[in-house]
Amino acid sequence: NAGVTQTPKFRVLKTGQSMTLLCAQDMNHEYMYWYRQDPGMGLRLIHYSVGEGTTAKGEVPDGYNVSRLKKQNFLLGLESAAPSQTSVYFCASSSQRGGQQTQYFGPGTRLLVL
Amino acid sequence: GENVEQHPSTLSVQEGDSAVIKCTYSDSASNYFPWYKQELGKGPQLIIDIRSNVGEKKDQRIAVTLNKTAKHFSLHITETQPEDSAVYFCAATLSGSARQLTFGSGTQLTVLP
Repeated sequence: NAGVTQTPKFRVLKTGQSMTLLCAQDMNHEYMYWYRQDPGMGLRLIHYSVGEGTTAKGEVPDGYNVSRLKKQNFLLGLESAAPSQTSVYFCASSSQRGGQQTQYFGPGTRLLVL
Repeated sequence: GENVEQHPSTLSVQEGDSAVIKCTYSDSASNYFPWYKQELGKGPQLIIDIRSNVGEKKDQRIAVTLNKTAKHFSLHITETQPEDSAVYFCAATLSGSARQLTFGSGTQLTVLP
């Protein structure tokens, strides 16, 4: 099992450009999450999904959109990138089964917006 | 919503000594408290967790304690080794909340040889 994978690993954007970050998991997990990590601020939840076709806002959703068309994939979109979106983005997944609360994280995507 | 505070932000210990990282949470309904270790350039990885019906849990050199009354929990690492050097995050979540985690701000642990 590859676990949680993210593409790309690194990207540089100019202000106003758009891009999509892809997260894929092969553990058949129902829940998937997108976080951003900034120095001194831990990880903050952007959006999450409790199943295929469903998404919900997290703590810092502004400027981002998400889609979960397939159970194994969770896409994070930036329609018009801003320098404030320079960050490291992590995807995670977890099982819905009772007692299985571990979130498994991907390796991250480093995004620089100039 | 939930708020998690973590201290200290940096911690240096001599190899073989113990390290303690402390977190407090605000929502008394939170009932699951994981700890994650993040090595440089990698994603966080769960190292230990504790549920609100348990006061302490140990796994080899790592232990976590929970005080529900005071709403704080701590990570204890004994006999530290250089490979323990990493950033550690505590988190809290509510059961049934789609497992949404609220993270602390992290502790950079450095184990000096």
